[in-house]
Amino acid sequence: SQQGEEDPQALSIQEGENATMNCSYKTSINNLQWYRQNSGRGLVHLILIRSNEREKHSGRLRVTLDTSKKSSSLLITASRAADTASYFCATEGTASKLTFGTGTRLQVTL
Amino acid sequence: DTAVSQTPKYLVTQMGNDKSIKCEQNLGHDTMYWYKQDSKKFLKIMFSYNNKELIINETVPNRFSPKSPDKAHLNLHINSLELGDSAVYFCASSQRGGPDTQYFGPGTRLTVL
Repeated sequence: SQQGEEDPQALSIQEGENATMNCSYKTSINNLQWYRQNSGRGLVHLILIRSNEREKHSGRLRVTLDTSKKSSSLLITASRAADTASYFCATEGTASKLTFGTGTRLQVTL
Repeated sequence: DTAVSQTPKYLVTQMGNDKSIKCEQNLGHDTMYWYKQDSKKFLKIMFSYNNKELIINETVPNRFSPKSPDKAHLNLHINSLELGDSAVYFCASSQRGGPDTQYFGPGTRLTVL
C-alpha cells in the first residue's frame, strides 16, 4: 500500500510567498527524501533527512521531520515562478526501497 | 552529459504488441530501478537490480520482464501490451552503501491503443 500521503494535493501561491507541503507516512523509516518533478520530466532529488535528524536546510528549502508523528514538511521560501512543479516525498524503510507519496502540485504565479 | 537516459521518449502501440524500453546510466551506480507513474501521478516501483541481480520485484504482471546486460543498463520488455499499461515509465539509478538518493531518467510515455 502507499506509504506517503501529501497535503495539500495542490497549492497556488504568488511569487515571493512561502510554500509549505506536508507528508505523512505509516511505518518506520531510515530516511525521508523530497523530489521535484517538472511537467513532462523525471524526478529530481532535492533533499534527504535521516530518521535521527529533525530539520535540514538547503538554499531556500527547509525540511522538518517528526518521527513521533510520522510526518515531514517541506518549506520553500521566497518562491519563484520556476518553483512551479509537483513535489513528492519518498520514504526509505528497512527494505531499502523508496516509496513515494501522492505529490503536491505547486503553482507559483507572477 | 545525460546521467540517466531512456529511449524512446514516446511509444505509441497497439494492444497485444511487444515492446522494449531501454535505460542507461553513466553515473557508475550499482543499482537501477524501473518505476511506473500512472495518470494520477502516483509513482510505484516495479523492479530494482543491483549489479545485474534482481533485488526488488514488486507485484507486476509477468508480461513485464527487466533485463540487465551490465550494471549500466536496465531494459524493460513488455509482452502482450494492454490498455492499462499506458503510463509513464521512469528508470532511475543509485549508489548502494549509503542513503538511497535516486537519479531519474526523463521518462518514457507509453500509450497503448
